[in-house]
Amino acid sequence: SAVISQKPSRDICQRGTSLTIQCQVDSQVTMMFWYRQQPGQSLTLIATANQGSEATYESGFVIDKFPISRPNLTFSTLTVSNMSPEDSSIYLCSVRDGYNEKLFFGSGTQLSVL
Amino acid sequence: QKEVEQNSGPLSVPEGAIASLNCTYSDRVSQSFFWYRQYSGKSPELIMSIYSNGDKEDGRFTAQLNKASQYVSLLIRDSQPSDSATYLCAGGSNTGNQFYFGTGTSLTVIP
Repeated sequence: SAVISQKPSRDICQRGTSLTIQCQVDSQVTMMFWYRQQPGQSLTLIATANQGSEATYESGFVIDKFPISRPNLTFSTLTVSNMSPEDSSIYLCSVRDGYNEKLFFGSGTQLSVL
Repeated sequence: QKEVEQNSGPLSVPEGAIASLNCTYSDRVSQSFFWYRQYSGKSPELIMSIYSNGDKEDGRFTAQLNKASQYVSLLIRDSQPSDSATYLCAGGSNTGNQFYFGTGTSLTVIP
């Protein structure tokens, strides 16, 4: 399986600021995804990061709030913009194993917004 | 109906017992299913995948898929305290791009 490095691992941010989360994979992958896991909840897909084109966002998530970059097949970033306490969550980068469809996760970013 | 529904528990079993975790899914979910284990404060870790009707065994873990009943389960034999975690059931969408996750079942194995 791919090795997925995600950083920062955690951060405490002030309301109104932005945080960019980085995801680096040790091999080229076609599909990269960003998930959110709010306290005590399951995983919610934010968007699919597409290489060379705009990300595909799920219902309830917009590009202005969660801009995503995917400059190549091994790297992506997610920015959480104009943060509020409701954005406090774990953010997870994930990649799809194209051969057998398995989904693997990075170590996650624990975000707290004050 | 949610795409993937999971009995949320919590589930407690004594050490050495069999833990049984269950999940049902809707028609929007394809025939690929996965079980993830998530320790507190950690990211989900894939422990089992199953694509065909029937049972699939891997060590102490057995995944079961019943397509007719749209039901998938995970059995953990000889449960250990280290198995204490939240277990997430997931299924691939029919479009092939998205995974649908259940809400997770919290398992505690009591020494």
